[in-house]
Amino acid sequence: DAKTTQPNSMESNEEEPVHLPCNHSTISGTDYIHWYRQLPSQGPEYVIHGLTSNVNNRMASLAIAEDRKSSTLILHRATLRDAAVYYCILRDVNYGQNFVFGPGTRLSVLP
Amino acid sequence: NAGVTQTPKFQVLKTGQSMTLQCAQDMNHEYMSWYRQDPGMGLRLIHYSVGAGITDQGEVPNGYNVSRSTTEDFPLRLLSAAPSQTSVYFCASTLEQYGNTEAFFGQGTRLTVV
Repeated sequence: DAKTTQPNSMESNEEEPVHLPCNHSTISGTDYIHWYRQLPSQGPEYVIHGLTSNVNNRMASLAIAEDRKSSTLILHRATLRDAAVYYCILRDVNYGQNFVFGPGTRLSVLP
Repeated sequence: NAGVTQTPKFQVLKTGQSMTLQCAQDMNHEYMSWYRQDPGMGLRLIHYSVGAGITDQGEVPNGYNVSRSTTEDFPLRLLSAAPSQTSVYFCASTLEQYGNTEAFFGQGTRLTVV
């Protein structure tokens, strides 16, 4: 089973910031937090990952709580192209450290 | 760069038929995985491999076989197709470095079993 909890869906207006939350209360000290997204009719693609500190890249920012039991993916200015399912993932030691996906959060972006 | 290539993109099978879904990667990654995705659901791990000659079962392995004779290729075999195996199948290849792990996914194979 996925070790993370996310809201089923969220909505945002175009060009506004979006904060996608994720709870991972059973995270271990060495678990990285990974975020992927899946655009319609495509395979998942990497967004960002982090361990303890907040992380930034060209796509998004990742804010990690001090106790590491939750994190937030931040899209600074949502575009229509950002409409996708966003997955917050911890790797699963039971399956060779593979990514085990939950249902994710379906983000809708309104023009 | 080709990345992860899956073939075919679409396939219709009759119940009881067998077939092989192909997956190839050109990034020299050791880790490869197969997932299935049913409508409105997240991806579920079928089988995975941590290197040539090494495979193991994921969450939903029944009805599927895999082998890994080379680093580049990781085919998924359906032994006797059933309607319950109608799904979209994704292959992934993972760059495995501590602190810098990234999975690359193919475009998927949409399989319908009638």
